[in-house]
Amino acid sequence: DSGVTQTPKHLITATGQRVTLRCSPRSGDLSVYWYQQSLDQGLQFLIQYYNGEERAKGNILERFSAQQFPDLHSELNLSSLELGDSALYFCASSVGGSGGSYNEQFFGPGTRLTVL
Amino acid sequence: ILNVEQSPQSLHVQEGDSTNFTCSFPSSNFYALHWYRWETAKSPEALFVMTLNGDEKKKGRISATLNTKEGYSYLYIKGSQPEDSATYLCARAATGGGNKLTFGTGTQLKVEL
Repeated sequence: DSGVTQTPKHLITATGQRVTLRCSPRSGDLSVYWYQQSLDQGLQFLIQYYNGEERAKGNILERFSAQQFPDLHSELNLSSLELGDSALYFCASSVGGSGGSYNEQFFGPGTRLTVL
Repeated sequence: ILNVEQSPQSLHVQEGDSTNFTCSFPSSNFYALHWYRWETAKSPEALFVMTLNGDEKKKGRISATLNTKEGYSYLYIKGSQPEDSATYLCARAATGGGNKLTFGTGTQLKVEL
């Protein structure tokens, strides 16, 4: 158990809908990262928040947004869902994360999203 | 090298064999190289984080080396056991803001009795 929690574990929804994925980092970690694992691709970095502020951005679609709250938990919002958004979404956390850190990242169990 | 590449894609070895995998990455703007172990139905687990050229890290039967000038890292497993069966991922962090990791697609290791 990495100490990172994600809810829900599974989510099944229809095209066009909007969902929210939630992540609680390990106690003391200030950075939260979101990754997408699609069937035919490796882990793709979406976005990083550090102590409430966006720190780094990957190829995150405009339909996707995220935020980190004062208690450091994070939410990833996915809207106007398409079939291709079906994937495993991981959240990870680390102690640091500012300025090209070498901190290891601790991954949560993931949320499997299925868009029908 | 423009992306993080790993080879081989998959590997089947017998119990007791020693094995190694390669991770190649862009050497420019390099900051750190991460190795993760990912078992089926679980989440990736950090093995090593390396930053210095020539770095070598070890954890039990698993070790890793780093060459930042030529952009590669090797992961070695000595005396493979069935519980080593997993996908091994490497990821590169670049300088310049945040801790964005670019992952390779992994090497899937299967250790057979």
